[in-house]
Amino acid sequence: SYALTQPPSLSVSPGQTATITCSGDKLGNKYVCWYQQKPGQSPVLVIYEDTKRPSGIPERLSGSNSGNTATLTISGTQAMDEADYYCQAWDSSTGVFGTGTKVTVL
Amino acid sequence: QVQLVQSGAEAKKPGSSVKVSCKASGGTFSSYALSWVRQAPGQGLEWMGGIIPIYGTANYAQRFQGRVTITADESTSTAYMDLSSLRSEDTAVYYCARTGGVRCRSGSCSFTDSYFDYWGQGTLVTVSS
Repeated sequence: SYALTQPPSLSVSPGQTATITCSGDKLGNKYVCWYQQKPGQSPVLVIYEDTKRPSGIPERLSGSNSGNTATLTISGTQAMDEADYYCQAWDSSTGVFGTGTKVTVL
Repeated sequence: QVQLVQSGAEAKKPGSSVKVSCKASGGTFSSYALSWVRQAPGQGLEWMGGIIPIYGTANYAQRFQGRVTITADESTSTAYMDLSSLRSEDTAVYYCARTGGVRCRSGSCSFTDSYFDYWGQGTLVTVSS
């Protein structure tokens, strides 16, 4: 079955850039979404169709996707960005989520 | 603004079934798709399947085929997820999520490239003897 792999954790200082990767076979041929989940809360869609931001999502979150890797970039990271992040794509009509990355803002 | 309100927590015995509901408000219920996603304690997200109420047909992840049934009642704008033959590994928070970007043509719909843009608050299902 199709798998999406993310680094388990990432630490970033406030104001710096956080880069979260998501790897999968020929992932660049698929659309990728990203979800942010804070403790005890439901996930929130932050990027869809590789690069698009839903209404209300700050511009400092951006996405890209090429080759075997999709990337979520958080520029000027703030304390409120501390959360778990999951990538997601579709393979053979099945939704597949990445393994998740815990972002800590130190 | 779409809102999804789910039913309350459930405690079940192994081998039994559970049915979780998801009532939608805002938007036109029959015109969008709904998916179910679960999250075991301390674990990641897992897509179980989805439904497009206007067509009534559901798509399921292969690993849940035969054990999960997703239905929708347009008259009450409510979707349901029924999971049978419960085991301890099914202990999880179950979320419903509106699914945008579903493409339909001549009555046939594809979830491929869709996204989960509104989520319910989650329902904890605990399976224990």
